[in-house]
Amino acid sequence: ELKVEQNPLFLSMQEGKNYTIYCNYSTTSDRLYWYRQDPGKSLESLFVLLSNGAVKQEGRLMASLDTKARLSTLHITAAVHDLSATYFCAVDPQGGSEKLVFGKGTKLTVNP
Amino acid sequence: NAGVMQNPRHLVRRRGQEARLRCSPMKGHSHVYWYRQLPEEGLKFMVYLQKENIIDESGMPKERFSAEFPKEGPSILRIQQVVRGDSAAYFCASSPGRTGYTFGSGTRLTVV
Repeated sequence: ELKVEQNPLFLSMQEGKNYTIYCNYSTTSDRLYWYRQDPGKSLESLFVLLSNGAVKQEGRLMASLDTKARLSTLHITAAVHDLSATYFCAVDPQGGSEKLVFGKGTKLTVNP
Repeated sequence: NAGVMQNPRHLVRRRGQEARLRCSPMKGHSHVYWYRQLPEEGLKFMVYLQKENIIDESGMPKERFSAEFPKEGPSILRIQQVVRGDSAAYFCASSPGRTGYTFGSGTRLTVV
């Protein structure tokens, strides 16, 4: 059974600082997603990583995938308050977007 | 394109009542997925449907839960004889098939 573990689960950081969220998964997959969720809202797709070594960047967020290590990272650069949210990684074990397995999420709070 | 539409947004039911959650996929999407999110948790896959067919229901509880996606109309997730443990956010997602999801805004079910 595929397991997806994120850490940390809670992250409080100051504006302007950098940090990395980690997502480990237990079986082979070459399709990984990162989502953002604001309180009481739905999931917003941030990144889709489709191959080993994939790196994608959008604004202050950068995601990467190492399929050999079964590890994805979400790096936050110079955090701002608007980035406060919960971030989920999700792995598609069947490579066809049928049944995603989600991590528990990282609740990020960016303090002024 | 209206996106994935879920209704109601909030639903309160007394223990023992039935809950019906509706999901209209994006135009042109024939694949529908239901996920459940418990407080402070990631999303857990429940069921994957295509028009008139259940493709994968491995995440559905064996009793009281059922799902359908008829030829005409929205997909319905039905929970009979609800219990307090059914309180959660239920998200629907749709895709045109194997190319990634779009999530709806969710239905927040509270059982009192």
